[in-house]
Amino acid sequence: DAGVIQSPRHEVTEMGQEVTLRCKPISGHNSLFWYRQTMMRGLELLIYFNNNVPIDDSGMPEDRFSAKMPNASFSTLKIQPSEPRDSAVYFCATVPSGRREGEQFFGPGTRLTVL
Amino acid sequence: GENVEQHPSTLSVQEGDSAVIKCTYSDSASNYFPWYKQELGKRPQLIIDIRSNVGEKKDQRIAVTLNKTAKHFSLHITETQPEDSAVYFCAALYSSASKIIFGSGTRLSIRP
Repeated sequence: DAGVIQSPRHEVTEMGQEVTLRCKPISGHNSLFWYRQTMMRGLELLIYFNNNVPIDDSGMPEDRFSAKMPNASFSTLKIQPSEPRDSAVYFCATVPSGRREGEQFFGPGTRLTVL
Repeated sequence: GENVEQHPSTLSVQEGDSAVIKCTYSDSASNYFPWYKQELGKRPQLIIDIRSNVGEKKDQRIAVTLNKTAKHFSLHITETQPEDSAVYFCAALYSSASKIIFGSGTRLSIRP
């Protein structure tokens, strides 16, 4: 298995533009988490899905952020409109089905820069 | 609320010495505590975890201890080596929400 796949790996955009980050979980993993990492705030949980259903989106900073998981093999995190303070590394992580404990498998991350 | 406190934020030790990172959590129902290591420019990866039914777990040079009464848990790295330089995150599983909350991270530097 290729592991958790994220795209793009790097994104540079201008303030006000829409940004879409993508994640493909490991096959058979039915829990998916989106994190944001910055120097100031560390690793923050934004939202997580279980069986494609959003369970907790309390970490989503503003209405400009939205996430979807239309099927078991794909999720998106969208920022519209983007702002410079959204610059961060965004990680997707997945967990095998039925397991609350155990390793979260992180993707390589998307480094977002908003100018 | 859901919170994991981690200290120190930075730690520098001489190669060969030990390093200790400490965390506290707020949810008394938490029963799973993983530790992740993140090397520069890489993704976080699990290095060790501990469940609430044990007080200590070892894996070669790494050990974790858990004090459920005090809601403290710690990571101990002995005989540190240059490749131990990284950011280390503690975390706790919040049972009510089935989600992992991460500490703020400790940047560990090993001096040659």
